[in-house]
Amino acid sequence: DTAVSQTPKYLVTQMGNDKSIKCEQNLGHDTMYWYKQDSKKFLKIMFSYNNKELIINETVPNRFSPKSPDKAHLNLHINSLELGDSAVYFCASSQDMAGGDTQYFGPGTRLTVL
Amino acid sequence: AQTVTQSQPEMSVQEAETVTLSCTYDTSESDYYLFWYKQPPSRQMILVIRQEAYKQQNATENRFSVNFQKAAKSFSLKISDSQLGDAAMYFCAYRQGGSEKLVFGKGTKLTVNP
Repeated sequence: DTAVSQTPKYLVTQMGNDKSIKCEQNLGHDTMYWYKQDSKKFLKIMFSYNNKELIINETVPNRFSPKSPDKAHLNLHINSLELGDSAVYFCASSQDMAGGDTQYFGPGTRLTVL
Repeated sequence: AQTVTQSQPEMSVQEAETVTLSCTYDTSESDYYLFWYKQPPSRQMILVIRQEAYKQQNATENRFSVNFQKAAKSFSLKISDSQLGDAAMYFCAYRQGGSEKLVFGKGTKLTVNP
């Protein structure tokens, strides 16, 4: 069974379009995250949610809107896509917000904006 | 702000040999956790090992071990008996106690030569 899954794995779209990436975890975790990995492989947190409540918003443009319908899902919607949004987006989850809790990552979604 | 530095963009090792990947971090906190993640070409982020700052004993997971030097703020990863499947990007990460945010280094690309 996949612990943290994301769909789609690949997404190619035109500038200006709106797209969504879905994430689901079956680990029973309370906290979920979105990370962005740029072309130089640098990983940076974007958002975190705990029990459907937004906890971290790391100065991400408001074109990016996360939505958590329940504890097991955290989706990422991106409006008016720009070339610079091309990256790999990772979803992750952890049991709670404690610092020592291990974060488990999904397989990533490679977004290419043309 | 906490930062994580991986000074070796690339490393290579012969199969069956030992290699050490460096990581230093900057923090004024005493409660924190350190992690090494592996990202093979499949893109999946896989936890390799974690270390609690309050523990003096170095963490070990099979062929993977760390050298945690708290005073020097150093957290290196040693891979013994390297295998071809160890070839990947390795990311060092820091997480402050009570914080959801995982701060990553820029990664080290490890090549394993047969």
